[in-house]
Amino acid sequence: EIVLTQSPGTLSLSPGERATLSCRASQSISNNFIAWYRQIPGQAPRLLIHAASKRASGTPDRFSGSGSGTDFTLTILRLEPQDSAVYFCQQYGSSAPYTFGQGTKLEIK
Amino acid sequence: EVQLVESGGGLVKPGGSLRLSCAASGFAFSDFGMHWVRQAPGKGPEWVSSISSSSGDKDYVDSVRGRFSISRDNSKNSLFLQMSSLRVEDTATYYCGRGVIGVIRGIVYSWGQGTLVTVSS
Repeated sequence: EIVLTQSPGTLSLSPGERATLSCRASQSISNNFIAWYRQIPGQAPRLLIHAASKRASGTPDRFSGSGSGTDFTLTILRLEPQDSAVYFCQQYGSSAPYTFGQGTKLEIK
Repeated sequence: EVQLVESGGGLVKPGGSLRLSCAASGFAFSDFGMHWVRQAPGKGPEWVSSISSSSGDKDYVDSVRGRFSISRDNSKNSLFLQMSSLRVEDTATYYCGRGVIGVIRGIVYSWGQGTLVTVSS
């Protein structure tokens, strides 16, 4: 089973700043099949990024994904108050189980 | 617009059974692989099970294999999860999710609103 470790656990930033979220895998991810999701409390997760760097439909271009192998990053530019949420990465590379990271809580103060 | 609506959650005693349903609309359900993903309170999501578009391929996380069974009815645009021998650690919100066309690939493009399953005596 591939373990994904996200850092930091919590990130507190101000509106207009840039957020950098990390996701590190215990082994190389096939085809860089990493997805990023955003979850607002009380709601279901929503897909933001797939295949490490491809924005899902409706994802603003302030969001970008990068990385390969075992190290992946979600970058959010020009933070807005509504970006406050928990962000999860997920690997869906080769075969099950398709594991998730433990999440990064982003606070916009 | 893709809509996924789960139902069937509730309170059940350890060892009991429950059947979750997911009604899909807004897309060609029979073309897509589908998933169940759960999330325990305060925890990250956990992939539970997936089924291919034709039901020819199914997979499960080890912790539920042999206890849970995924199925679908393409004529009714519905996805199911039959859960038996439930344990306290199965307590979670269960989400139905849409995957990719045809095969099982673990990415969840669209999520339902979830249904809460509580296993407690």
